[in-house]
Amino acid sequence: GIQVEQSPPDLILQEGANSTLRCNFSDSVNNLQWFHQNPWGQLINLFYIPSGTKQNGRLSATTVATERYSLLYISSSQTTDSGVYFCAVGPNTDKLIFGTGTRLQVFP
Amino acid sequence: EPEVTQTPSHQVTQMGQEVILRCVPISNHLYFYWYRQILGQKVEFLVSFYNNEISEKSEIFDDQFSVERPDGSNFTLKIRSTKLEDSAMYFCASRGQLGAEAFFGQGTRLTVV
Repeated sequence: GIQVEQSPPDLILQEGANSTLRCNFSDSVNNLQWFHQNPWGQLINLFYIPSGTKQNGRLSATTVATERYSLLYISSSQTTDSGVYFCAVGPNTDKLIFGTGTRLQVFP
Repeated sequence: EPEVTQTPSHQVTQMGQEVILRCVPISNHLYFYWYRQILGQKVEFLVSFYNNEISEKSEIFDDQFSVERPDGSNFTLKIRSTKLEDSAMYFCASRGQLGAEAFFGQGTRLTVV
C-alpha cells in the first residue's frame, strides 16, 4: 500500500521562528489534508490541498502532486502551535492514510 | 460552521464489556468513517460506510467491530467484547463526496481496564 513519510519527526522552536514540515508519499493521490492534533487529542483541519498552494494566516501549504510531496510552512510560530502535525493522503480508494506525524514544540 | 460531533468524549470500560461510540456526521454528508489512534501512534483507518453498507474495512476491523446508521443522523461503532488493546482514541469522520475534504470529530478516548 501507499507509504506516507513525514519529516522531521520532532521539531523544537523558539517563539517567532519559522518552520517547514514535509510529507512524502509513494504513489499518486487524489486527496491530501494537513491536520494539527492539539494537546487534547483533537484533529483540527488545516488544509485540504491535493495540489497547488494555499495560505491561511501564518500557515501555508504547497503540494506538488507530480513529485509526490507536500510542505506545510509555519511562520512566526506561537506556543499554541505546539502539537503533532499529520499529513493524510487519499489514494484511489475511499480512506485516508495518515503519516507518522511531526511533533512540534514551541517555547516562549 | 457544521461539525462532526462524538459522544462520549471519554469512556472507561471493563475488559469483555460491549461499548458503543456515537457520532453525528455533518448533515448533508454521505460518506462516513471510523479511525483509531493508539496512544503515541499514527491515526489508522478502520472502516468506511456509504449508502447503509460498509464500503471498505481494514484488517483491524474484525468480527468484534460493527457499524450502524440507526437513523438519519447518528453513526455508531460497536465493540462487542472489549480487549485491553482496544484502548485508543476513536475518531469519526464524514465527507460530502469521494475525494472531498474529510471532517473529523473531536474523538472518543476509550480506556479498557
